[in-house]
Amino acid sequence: IAGITQAPTSQILAAGRRMTLRCTQDMRHNAMYWYRQDLGLGLRLIHYSNTAGTTGKGEVPDGYSVSRANTDDFPLTLASAVPSQTSVYFCASSATGTGWRTDTQYFGPGTRLTVL
Amino acid sequence: AQKVTQAQTEISVVEKEDVTLDCVYETRDTTYYLFWYKQPPSGELVFLIRRNSFDEQNEISGRYSWNFQKSTSSFNFTITASQVVDSAVYFCALSERNGNQFYFGTGTSLTVIP
Repeated sequence: IAGITQAPTSQILAAGRRMTLRCTQDMRHNAMYWYRQDLGLGLRLIHYSNTAGTTGKGEVPDGYSVSRANTDDFPLTLASAVPSQTSVYFCASSATGTGWRTDTQYFGPGTRLTVL
Repeated sequence: AQKVTQAQTEISVVEKEDVTLDCVYETRDTTYYLFWYKQPPSGELVFLIRRNSFDEQNEISGRYSWNFQKSTSSFNFTITASQVVDSAVYFCALSERNGNQFYFGTGTSLTVIP
């Protein structure tokens, strides 16, 4: 069982380019999340999905979009990358849909993104 | 206002010393959950513990123990007889039943010196 996989592991991207970070989980968890981690700021929630077909905005959603076509996949898209989006991005999942706000979240290995 | 405050940015201890990582939270919800995660140098985030607001019993797991005190809105984490493998960044987090996200603290970087 892999848990949560993220791809790519790292990426260097030119400003203005479009980029999709992939996240797949094999735990059949209902809820999934995207965070960014920046030095001194901890982890901040970008978007979440408490069940397939629904998404919501977190603390820092601007410049990012997500989709949740099925239970397992939760891609994060940067439509036109900017240098301030340089960060480490973590995908996470939690088991239940109805209890998603308080369930334990399990994290993927992260994607290190550099926007030049 | 910061929902979760980890005032200690960096801590260094010598191996075998005990160390306590502080976490102070802020919420108006009566039902909430608190978490600790460990992020070793390899970068992954490892879940350590989850406590709900109705359970103030302290918890011990091997060398790890957690002290939850609602009166002071604190959820502190103690490592007894620290080891080099404990070197990591530790994050405290809060989720509220009536909220829509996790709130992470900014983390405490622990270095255990051999």
